[in-house]
Parts: sequence; structure tokens; C-alpha cells
Amino acid sequence: EAQVTQNPRYLITVTGKKLTVTCSQNMNHEYMSWYRQDPGLGLRQIYYSMNVEVTDKGDVPEGYKVSRKEKRNFPLILESPSPNQTSLYFCASSNLRSNRLAAQETQYFGPGTRLLVL
Amino acid sequence: EDQVTQSPEALRLQEGESSSLNCSYTVSGLRGLFWYRQDPGKGPEFLFTLYSAGEEKEKERLKATLTKKESFLHITAPKPEDSATYLCAVQAPAAGNKLTFGGGTRVLVKP
Repeated sequence: EAQVTQNPRYLITVTGKKLTVTCSQNMNHEYMSWYRQDPGLGLRQIYYSMNVEVTDKGDVPEGYKVSRKEKRNFPLILESPSPNQTSLYFCASSNLRSNRLAAQETQYFGPGTRLLVL
Repeated sequence: EDQVTQSPEALRLQEGESSSLNCSYTVSGLRGLFWYRQDPGKGPEFLFTLYSAGEEKEKERLKATLTKKESFLHITAPKPEDSATYLCAVQAPAAGNKLTFGGGTRVLVKP
């Protein structure tokens, strides 16, 4: 079954304690991305990656790091979490197309990780 | 800066009562407009991609249309299982592969 998995699904932590949210996809997609979703602000992109070892900042990258050492995995790292990073996080993946008007095909989203930083 | 505005924020419908959701966008050259459905506690689920003005796509009771400034998602004779938040997103060349999302429309269909 084609899917994007995220772990953990729920996490409560304290300010300053480093954490990693894992994301894995089994569709051999080149493109992977992290979003956060907040009430009234919608989905905002944190970081994205167009292939292994290629990452770039989205709209709200401050306080986050990512890595793409393997095609299937795209972990999100919070080196020193703060309460304003309390949010619902989604990982997504898709293929890239160079010969269509839209550079992406269907983007598949993971089930989400709900993070509370105290 | 790309902007996407969805209206209304929330919509309550009786089963069978057709309606439309609006997605207005401002981008420098639209590469694609995407519609997603999101159920509570779950990730967005892809519905449609529209590439150019005049294009229409249908899936069951849903039909998406696109003009140069906005897109509509028409829900015909909705059922309670159509209750969800519907998200619109745009992709523009100047923004690379980034998707810019609207705030969504929460749809509740009562039996």
C-alpha cells in the first residue's frame, strides 16, 4: 500500500529538549516536504527536498532542521523546541514532473504528528 | 507574494442541498491549483489539480472549476460523508515547487 508514515503521532515535550519526527514514504518519490498546520493560519511549508541531499527552506523554517540522506526518509529536527512550535505537523511526498505545467503530481500526506511543547 | 483566500470559512448544509466553495488566488503565473479534502485528525487527501482557466474536473458529487482569478468547488446533492474541510492550494513558478494553501472551508452536511 502506497503511504507516508510519520512517528510519533503524538508528542509532549519540554522547552529545549531536542526531538526528531520521522517521515518515510514507500512510493520512490523525489519530492518530500514538511508542513505545520495552525488554527487560522492554514498549512504552511517548513522545508522541502527535491531529492537526496537537496533541501530548501519553505515559508517558516526558523527553529527547524531537516536532512535527506535517503530517498524514502525525511526527518524533521527541532534542536531546541519552544512553545510556539506547538502545532500539527504533516509530511508529504510526490513525484516531480519536468514536462507538465505543474512541477508536482499528486502530493500524498502523512497522518500528522501533534506536538505540544511545554 | 502568492495569496490564497477561501470562502466561506464554514458551511452548514442539509443533505441534498447543493452549494459552492470559493478559492481566490493571487499568483505570478499559475502552475497548478490543487483541491484537497481533510478529515479531522488526518492528513489532506488529494482531490483535483487544475492547470488552466476554463478547465473542469469531476469526482462523484464534486466538481472543480478554474478561472484566471478563482476556483470553485461545487458540491452537488451532498451527503453527510462529504463533511470535511476542503483546502485549496496554488503552485507558481516564482515559488519553485512550493504549495501555498488557503485557510480551508469546513463543510458540515446534516442528514
